[in-house]
Amino acid sequence: ETGVTQTPRHLVMGMTNKKSLKCEQHLGHNAMYWYKQSAKKPLELMFVYSLEERVENNSVPSRFSPECPNSSHLFLHLHTLQPEDSALYLCASSQLEGTTGGYTFGSGTRLTVV
Amino acid sequence: SQQGEEDPQALSIQEGENATMNCSYKTSINNLQWYRQNSGRGLVHLILIRSNEREKHSGRLRVTLDTSKKSSSLLITASRAADTASYFCATAIQGAQKLVFGQGTRLTINP
Repeated sequence: ETGVTQTPRHLVMGMTNKKSLKCEQHLGHNAMYWYKQSAKKPLELMFVYSLEERVENNSVPSRFSPECPNSSHLFLHLHTLQPEDSALYLCASSQLEGTTGGYTFGSGTRLTVV
Repeated sequence: SQQGEEDPQALSIQEGENATMNCSYKTSINNLQWYRQNSGRGLVHLILIRSNEREKHSGRLRVTLDTSKKSSSLLITASRAADTASYFCATAIQGAQKLVFGQGTRLTINP
């Protein structure tokens, strides 16, 4: 385990469902990130939270809704997804917002939209 | 082409050989980082090299950075079967508070 825990590991959902992905870190990091990894595409940064405030939203469709209730937890709420949203969703954290140090990633949630 | 492109896309070598992967990027950076990803898992941070550094070592890993050519290389010496994974470079672009990842190099170590 890396210190960043993501649940569930796998999720299959219909296009009309509502589900949430959860990410938890107890590393004392102040920044948390959601990335999307699709086959044969680079990792796409979706959201950045620094000290529980959203600092970046990379033109992500509104069917993805992040929530950061405290510095240790990050959620990604999903509703009315499309099949092309099927991907590996990765959560990461870092000591400070930005890029001065390395990121610690969770193992990801493999999402399949049917 | 995009910021952070790895080359080759796939590499297959025999155990014990050295593996070299390259990364090219387009804009000025603060640092460049390498990550490893085992199949279907999260990424693991391997090494970070700052823009004012030219070479860095960590165990069997050696990273070089040439800012004039906007390129970096990752060398894994004496490869092992456990090194089989995808390797990604990530660039910390100046003025942007985010890492930009490439598409990765898929490395296979044959026993």
